[in-house]
Amino acid sequence: EAGVTQFPSHSVIEKGQTVTLRCDPISGHDNLYWYRRVMGKEIKFLLHFVKESKQDESGMPNNRFLAERTGGTYSTLKVQPAELEDSGVYFCASSQGFKQFFGPGTRLTVL
Amino acid sequence: AQSVSQHNHHVILSEAASLELGCNYSYGGTVNLFWYVQYPGQHLQLLLKYFSGDPLVKGIKGFEAEFIKSKFSFNLRKPSVQWSDTAEYFCAVNPRDYKLSFGAGTTVTVRA
Repeated sequence: EAGVTQFPSHSVIEKGQTVTLRCDPISGHDNLYWYRRVMGKEIKFLLHFVKESKQDESGMPNNRFLAERTGGTYSTLKVQPAELEDSGVYFCASSQGFKQFFGPGTRLTVL
Repeated sequence: AQSVSQHNHHVILSEAASLELGCNYSYGGTVNLFWYVQYPGQHLQLLLKYFSGDPLVKGIKGFEAEFIKSKFSFNLRKPSVQWSDTAEYFCAVNPRDYKLSFGAGTTVTVRA
């Protein structure tokens, strides 16, 4: 069974640019989550989709972040415009129940 | 807001030594508890979980954790570590609403 995949694995952009991260969950998983880890700090929840609907987006930092989940399959997280403090590792996870399976993460560096 | 506290930022020990990583959480209701591990260059993966029942939970690779409700703790243990246990370990909690709250992580370095 394929795991959660994320693309790209690394992204280096300049402040003010736009970046789009993609997550492909495990097939059949209705729940999809985005988390972020800023260097040296804890992994923090960003948002939770159930199928194509946003169930909980309480962790989204501000309106520069936009998440979508087209047709309840893959999800994208767009940061526009990117700021220096957006640097970190962005994790995606999926689940059917409470056990979440994580992707490898996307390391975003904003210069 | 709920929080998760991991007692150690970095632990260094020798092979065959015993390991115990502390985790405390602040949340008054019923929670699910997890330990995740990230080996160098790999995904976060689940070591073990506690939902209900026996508070002593056994996970993969010889790890176990004990849930002590009165202390709001979920400490991870392994009697004898191996070099391959070098990794970062994360305690996580969810109050049964799916989103996970993580501790800051503990880096464990096992010297051969």
